[in-house]
Amino acid sequence: GDSVTQMEGPVTLSEEAFLTINCTYTATGYPSLFWYVQYPGEGLQLLLKATKADDKGSNKGFEATYRKETTSFHLEKGSVQVSDSAVYFCALGGSQGNLIFGKGTKLSVKP
Amino acid sequence: EAGVAQSPRYKIIEKRQSVAFWCNPISGHATLYWYQQILGQGPKLLIQFQNNGVVDDSQLPKDRFSAERLKGVDSTLKIQPAKLEDSAVYLCASSLASRTAEAFFGQGTRLTVV
Repeated sequence: GDSVTQMEGPVTLSEEAFLTINCTYTATGYPSLFWYVQYPGEGLQLLLKATKADDKGSNKGFEATYRKETTSFHLEKGSVQVSDSAVYFCALGGSQGNLIFGKGTKLSVKP
Repeated sequence: EAGVAQSPRYKIIEKRQSVAFWCNPISGHATLYWYQQILGQGPKLLIQFQNNGVVDDSQLPKDRFSAERLKGVDSTLKIQPAKLEDSAVYLCASSLASRTAEAFFGQGTRLTVV
């Protein structure tokens, strides 16, 4: 069945460091791909999405490109801030519109 | 715009007891989801409604879990009887009726079964 694998956490970075969180997927067809973020004490919220191959989703300085050839959707940010500390979830869109999530990666950014 | 509302936020029960969770989706959202998030894992879909009809309940443990969405708006998820392994955060989400539509999540109900 469809599945998502993302890098294990936790990830600890210093402020202004470069961030990459790896995400690969297994799916039949070409699903939409998403990154959701969960800040401490808050609910899950959409960070960015891409709906077809080679699309780049971007938001709040984060980017991810839908790579069909490597079945990947890695999350990147050039310069992280303390406020980016959160848990990040990669997800793919199921055939009925539901989401299939990875296990999540906890990011801690130190000043 | 009001978000997805869930209650209660926290619940502690003993095993074999029953519990119910309530969700009020964003107004106008035809699709409603219940997800289970066990500590350290990503959310897993339990059931998906389109209006008041079930689209997918293949991962719902139907011997103990039930859900309904009367009138295509609010929804309740019930567990009876609860087991220790049901300890998790139960997330409700809603979206417009589109495969690429953004899902909006509530803050969840944290259930502890002791």
